[in-house]
Amino acid sequence: AQKVTQAQTEISVVEKEDVTLDCVYETRDTTYYLFWYKQPPSGELVFLIRRNSFDEQNEISGRYSWNFQKSTSSFNFTITASQVVDSAVYFCALSFQGAQKLVFGQGTRLTINP
Amino acid sequence: EPEVTQTPSHQVTQMGQEVILRCVPISNHLYFYWYRQILGQKVEFLVSFYNNEISEKSEIFDDQFSVERPDGSNFTLKIRSTKLEDSAMYFCASSRLGGALHYEQYFGPGTRLTVT
Repeated sequence: AQKVTQAQTEISVVEKEDVTLDCVYETRDTTYYLFWYKQPPSGELVFLIRRNSFDEQNEISGRYSWNFQKSTSSFNFTITASQVVDSAVYFCALSFQGAQKLVFGQGTRLTINP
Repeated sequence: EPEVTQTPSHQVTQMGQEVILRCVPISNHLYFYWYRQILGQKVEFLVSFYNNEISEKSEIFDDQFSVERPDGSNFTLKIRSTKLEDSAMYFCASSRLGGALHYEQYFGPGTRLTVT
């Protein structure tokens, strides 16, 4: 079965701290895709990144970075020098061969305190 | 930048009534989706739509639900006889392509459905 686990329900840090959001996935497929979405308090879902299973290179985009490790089935997301605007619920998601749907994790509520 | 739009932003309806939620996907996108999120919970897939037909649906998407692309721009979700447990945020999404490539899905702002 396909499953995404985000074990951290809530994280609270002080501004400028670095924070890592964990994502562990389960799939039997050798070809799959991983995503991160941000849901700010306004409620919309904002696409952050897509990764396919053949590309294990880490990615950095400004203060955001993603660490994909197939050996541990993890796709973790790090925010460096966090800001109050980073406060949101972050969802990790998986899609797999033969299906278009996204399977979401439970989400991690991140609160950045000034 | 093109975006997915949804109307209405909030709909209140009585149990047993029919509701239609509307979405305008990004114009050059070919795959369309509906998801729902019950308050405080994770986002759940309902249905995907391509080439004017359903390509995949979840167990949630039972006979009460239907989707339609009535014209070249709108994509609708109909719930025939709403139940209390249908109360949720409903998200429409679209992607440029799909098939083997699994392009990212872009989501609309959601419609909050409240069934009383």
